[in-house]
Amino acid sequence: DAGVIQSPRHEVTEMGQEVTLRCKPISGHDYLFWYRQTMMRGLELLIYFNNNVPIDDSGMPEDRFSAKMPNASFSTLKIQPSEPRDSAVYFCASRLPGGKAFFGQGTRLTVV
Amino acid sequence: KNEVEQSPQNLTAQEGEFITINCSYSVGISALHWLQQHPGGGIVSLFMLSSGKKKHGRLIATINIQEKHSSLHITASHPRDSAVYICAAGGMYTDKLIFGTGTRLQVFP
Repeated sequence: DAGVIQSPRHEVTEMGQEVTLRCKPISGHDYLFWYRQTMMRGLELLIYFNNNVPIDDSGMPEDRFSAKMPNASFSTLKIQPSEPRDSAVYFCASRLPGGKAFFGQGTRLTVV
Repeated sequence: KNEVEQSPQNLTAQEGEFITINCSYSVGISALHWLQQHPGGGIVSLFMLSSGKKKHGRLIATINIQEKHSSLHITASHPRDSAVYICAAGGMYTDKLIFGTGTRLQVFP
C-alpha cells in the first residue's frame, strides 16, 4: 500500500477563496482523522470518521470548515472562505480499530 | 496544566549519546503513542504501548501506568535522529489522541 495520500502538498491561496484538501486513507482502515498543526498550538484534532461516518467534529474551528467522507477511500476538508489564520499544515491519518495511526505527508496551506 | 506534558522541550546531543525524552499524562489512557516528525516532513508513528516496554532498533519506549509516565530512549544517537518527538495519549473511552507539545532533538556529528 502507498500509505495515506494527501493532496495537494502545498497550497497558497488568497483570503476569501475556497480551499479543498484531499485524503486517501490506507485501504481497509476504518478510522480517518484530520489534524491541523501550527507552531502556536501544535497538533489539534479537527474531526474524525469511523466507517465514513463523522464521529466527533468538536475540533472544527468554525462553520467555515467542513469535512466529508463520501466513501471508504476518500475524504475532503474544505475551508470556505479561507482566512490568513487558517495557515497551517493539515494532516490526514488513518488506522484500524485499536491500531497505530498512519499519517499522510500533510498539506501546507498558506492563506495570504 | 496540559493533560500531556513532555520534557525537555529542546534537546541537543552529540552523536553516540544516549537520549531520554519524558512524557507525563494526567488522563486515563488506552495506549500511549510516540510519534516522530522530521523537519518539513510527515509524521511517523514509532510506538503504541499500553504496558511495559517496546524496542525497535535503537529506539526503546517504556511506560509506567501507575505513575502515568512514559519515556522514549534512543541509544547511540545519530544525526538522522534529529526530529521532533511527540507523545500522545489515547483516551480510555475515546478514539481521540491528546498530544504533547513535542521535544525537538538535534544530534550533532
